[in-house]
Amino acid sequence: QSVLTQPPSVSGAPGQRVTISCTGSSSNIGAGYDVHWYQQLPGTAPKLLIYVNSNRPSGVPDRFSGSKSGTSASLAITGLQAEDEADYYCQSYDSSLSSSVFGGGTKLTVL
Amino acid sequence: QVQLQQWGAGLLKPSETLSLTCAVYGGSISGYDWNWIRQPPGKGLEWIGEINNSGSTSYHPSLKSRVTISVDTSKNQFSLKLSSVTAADTAVYYCASGGSTDWFDPWGQGTLVTVSS
Repeated sequence: QSVLTQPPSVSGAPGQRVTISCTGSSSNIGAGYDVHWYQQLPGTAPKLLIYVNSNRPSGVPDRFSGSKSGTSASLAITGLQAEDEADYYCQSYDSSLSSSVFGGGTKLTVL
Repeated sequence: QVQLQQWGAGLLKPSETLSLTCAVYGGSISGYDWNWIRQPPGKGLEWIGEINNSGSTSYHPSLKSRVTISVDTSKNQFSLKLSSVTAADTAVYYCASGGSTDWFDPWGQGTLVTVSS
């Protein structure tokens, strides 16, 4: 039971657009804390994908975008490619726990 | 460009103490925040704790009684100790740069720690 809730899985065909939601509460996302996203390819360490809700680090394709509203955030991936198949995690800070918290992760399958 | 390389014992018996070290290359460890994060096999990520640029530590409430994170500035390294481990502590452990209210980047390569009698 993660503090941030993500769908366990999403899927899409190559070229399509998918979104991954991250739902929190008034003690984390709703309190104004930023949301960050990570991509984890099989057998590797997570890689920063989006920081501070909607910013892409250098080298991350603009096919990846993030947004935040209220107690939720979303990651959108357009022009799906086979190489996007991975696990995606959202992360924020929770004031009730005084801890950084992650979503449970979403497995993206490219059909 | 900062890179993190980590190491430590990969197999422990119940009740032993987990000890991992993360070395910072390409930059100074001083002035930044450093974290440990773990991932049980087949499961999601769990933040363990951080040591900030002032040397203050904060830990996940569920692990607070067993965790110690420290920094050795002379070696440009930081470390994790987790006492009284059980099978539930079996996970890949990652070190990462960043504050607990910020993002984590970069990450170490990960170390699988298995607790088994």
